[in-house]
Amino acid sequence: GENVEQHPSTLSVQEGDSAVIKCTYSDSASNYFPWYKQELGKRPQLIIDIRSNVGEKKDQRIAVTLNKTAKHFSLHITETQPEDSAVYFCAALGGATNKLIFGTGTLLAVQP
Amino acid sequence: DSGVTQTPKHLITATGQRVTLRCSPRSGDLSVYWYQQSLDQGLQFLIQYYNGEERAKGNILERFSAQQFPDLHSELNLSSLELGDSALYFCASSVGGTPTQYFGPGTRLLVL
Repeated sequence: GENVEQHPSTLSVQEGDSAVIKCTYSDSASNYFPWYKQELGKRPQLIIDIRSNVGEKKDQRIAVTLNKTAKHFSLHITETQPEDSAVYFCAALGGATNKLIFGTGTLLAVQP
Repeated sequence: DSGVTQTPKHLITATGQRVTLRCSPRSGDLSVYWYQQSLDQGLQFLIQYYNGEERAKGNILERFSAQQFPDLHSELNLSSLELGDSALYFCASSVGGTPTQYFGPGTRLLVL
């Protein structure tokens, strides 16, 4: 069935460093890949998304890259700040099922 | 604030009981999605409704059911509750033709 793998499960960086979170998906028909940020006890918030006809998308300090051949996409956060600390989830929209399948999450800790 | 509302915020009940969670989508959104988030299972898609009709089904137990009403709000009914049903339940909504989902604040259910 559809599956999304996410790595690493935890990531600790120093303030100002970059952070990279990677996901792979199984459904080759997937065509939409959002990233959500979730702070403790809060709702998942959409931070960036990318569609399959685009290889890269950037929004200020956040960028997402997509490699459809490898079925792999990544989130890049540059110049990290303590307020970037949260759990980040990747997801892939099933091509046939229209279901959003989530990765298992990455706990990002930015040390001041 | 995503514009998606959920009530109640917290719910404490006993095993065997039945509860109803309510969700109001963003103005203009026709699709409503329900997710369960527990510590060991991550974000699990339960069910999607589009303009009153069931559109997609995920790992939803037979003890759980949902519906979407003519005013587009949705209710998730959980019955014969078990300890393992304790989780955060999120509702999300999207405009019919786009995959971007916006999450509500969630309902935290505790089954004792």
